[in-house]
Amino acid sequence: EAAVTQSPRNKVAVTGGKVTLSCNQTNNHNNMYWYRQDTGHGLRLIHYSYGAGSTEKGDIPDGYKASRPSQENFSLILELATPSQTSVYFCASGEAFSNERLFFGHGTKLSVL
Amino acid sequence: GMPVEQNPPALSLYEGADSGLRCNFSTTMKSVQWFQQNHRGRLITLFYLAQGTKENGRLKSTFNSKERYSTLHIKDAQLEDSGTYFCAAHNYAQGLTFGLGTRVSVFP
Repeated sequence: EAAVTQSPRNKVAVTGGKVTLSCNQTNNHNNMYWYRQDTGHGLRLIHYSYGAGSTEKGDIPDGYKASRPSQENFSLILELATPSQTSVYFCASGEAFSNERLFFGHGTKLSVL
Repeated sequence: GMPVEQNPPALSLYEGADSGLRCNFSTTMKSVQWFQQNHRGRLITLFYLAQGTKENGRLKSTFNSKERYSTLHIKDAQLEDSGTYFCAAHNYAQGLTFGLGTRVSVFP
C-alpha cells in the first residue's frame, strides 16, 4: 500500500500569517496533488505536480502556492492565510496522470482565525 | 451541470440490508475510483475501474464509460460500512473530479 504522509495533522493559524503544509510519499510516484475538502463542495483540486520542479494550477489555486523540490515532497503554501482557507487539506500521489489510482494522506485540519 | 453527480446524498440502512450508490457523469470519463471516508476522516480507496465490474467482499462496483455512470453496491451492510462514500472520475482533459459524496449510516 502506498504511503503518503502529511504534516502537521492539525494547524491553527492567524489571519495574514504564512502556513506551509507538507506532504511526503515513499512510492516514487510522479504525480502529487493537493485537495481541500469542504462541506457542500466535496474535494477540490488546488495544485498538482508531474514531478520534481513542476507545479500546476488546479481548479481553485487562488491564494495558494505549491512547491515540489523532490520526487518525494510536495508542499502547499498559504502566504497570507485567510479564514476562508479554513478547511481539511488532503495530499495524494499517483503513478501517472492518465487512468491513475490515487493514494491519499490522512489529511491536515487547518483553522485560520 | 456538475461533471460528477452522486446520488443519493444520504442513505440509511439496517444491518444486513443491500443498497446501491450511483454516480452520473456529464462527459465521457476514462476511469472512476470509489473511496470511503471513515469517522476519522481518512480516505480509503475501495475500487479503481477503467471499465467493467469489480468485487471485493461485500462491495461491488461497475463502471460504464459509454453510458456515463458508475455504481457501488453494498451487500449485507455492516456497522463498519458507515461513512461517506465518494466517487471520483478521471476524464481526458483534467485530473480527478469528485462527487459530493453519499453519507451512509448503518443501524443495528
